[in-house]
Amino acid sequence: DGGITQSPKYLFRKEGQNVTLSCEQNLNHDAMYWYRQDPGQGLRLIYYSQIVNDFQKGDIAEGYSVSREKKESFPLTVTSAQKNPTAFYLCASSSRRTGTDTEAFFGQGTRLTVV
Amino acid sequence: AQTVTQSQPEMSVQEAETVTLSCTYDTSESDYYLFWYKQPPSRQMILVIRQEAYKQQNATENRFSVNFQKAAKSFSLKISDSQLGDAAMYFCAYRSAHGGATNKLIFGTGTLLAVQP
Repeated sequence: DGGITQSPKYLFRKEGQNVTLSCEQNLNHDAMYWYRQDPGQGLRLIYYSQIVNDFQKGDIAEGYSVSREKKESFPLTVTSAQKNPTAFYLCASSSRRTGTDTEAFFGQGTRLTVV
Repeated sequence: AQTVTQSQPEMSVQEAETVTLSCTYDTSESDYYLFWYKQPPSRQMILVIRQEAYKQQNATENRFSVNFQKAAKSFSLKISDSQLGDAAMYFCAYRSAHGGATNKLIFGTGTLLAVQP
């Protein structure tokens, strides 16, 4: 079945550590996104990528880094520079085509907690 | 830059009744897509309905319909015959129809819908 997979579902990080969240899709989508969601809040865009080997900062990119070496994969690294990383992280992908097939598909999310 | 605004943080509806969730957006583009997503307690994002800006006809999906007013930049969601399973956070979202680096999906802050039995 086609879909988008995030792992792990739960992640615990110690202060000062970098951690990487995985996002893989087999939908043949060009565009991929990372969002952060805090309790009772909307989705804030961290980074997005429209094509392999290219990505752009979103609204809250500070303290995060990404790579897009393969079309299927868009990992997010939460660095020690991110001062308040505890949040729910959602990955999404979408086609760049216009017309049909325009909606984004989401993974099940990763809950990151700093301990 | 495009923005999406949902002015109702919380709404409540009786089971079997109708409720309307509001969304306004700001853009200088003429071609774009609008979406309503549902996020139940499981936190899985589910597409509810989609509207292409070039279509004048309002989109409908079973009990869900939209009132798309392009000139007013308004995109409200109507849920008819509300069911307990409709209880969730609802997000309005915008995406440009143009490709390139600016083609990002932008969300509103969400409306938490409670359904009373």
